[in-house]
Amino acid sequence: DARVTQTPRDKVTEMGQEVTMRCQPILGHNTVFWYRQTMMQGLELLAYFRNRAPLDDSGMPKDRFSAEMPDATLATLKIQPSEPRDSAVYFCASGLTTGSYNEQFFGPGTRLTVL
Amino acid sequence: AQSVSQHNHHVILSEAASLELGCNYSYGGTVNLFWYVQYPGQHLQLLLKYFSGDPLVKGIKGFEAEFIKSKFSFNLRKPSVQWSDTAEYFCAVSPGAGSYQLTFGKGTKLSVIP
Repeated sequence: DARVTQTPRDKVTEMGQEVTMRCQPILGHNTVFWYRQTMMQGLELLAYFRNRAPLDDSGMPKDRFSAEMPDATLATLKIQPSEPRDSAVYFCASGLTTGSYNEQFFGPGTRLTVL
Repeated sequence: AQSVSQHNHHVILSEAASLELGCNYSYGGTVNLFWYVQYPGQHLQLLLKYFSGDPLVKGIKGFEAEFIKSKFSFNLRKPSVQWSDTAEYFCAVSPGAGSYQLTFGKGTKLSVIP
């Protein structure tokens, strides 16, 4: 049963520290998405990659957030420096997108708390 | 940009009651539509999806949804809910072609009372 995996599952850090979240998409999927979930804003798309190329990162605060996909089996989301308002659950999703077909499979999320 | 509205923030039902959760979207072109469920403390799981064809879509766990293009709606239904359906339900829309990002509604929390 193929699944998206994310590490760490929980992260508590202090303001100003760097945070790196990792995602392993389902093997064979060509598209990876990063979402952030908060009580106030709900689920927001931060960025997504297709065939490892960044397609859209307009939802991401560029001054402190960066997303990369160094190879087909790893996507990373980095926050530097972190702030308390970054506290949220960060979900990675992957999918095999082709033409108009788009179905996304979500990972378990990383719960980030910035003190 | 597209947007998704879910009318109910919190719905409380007794077991065996029927469920209908509303979802409306704003986007003028072809769309793909999804319902996801998030059980407490868990990740999102796909309940059902609509890409084309029959506007009445059947998903897992007895859920179904109907796409009404003229109303820009994709309401989720289940004839008889169970306590295990207690979860948060999210409607999402994606443009039919050219962009693969999902826009989610704010979610509807469903509480089923035994």
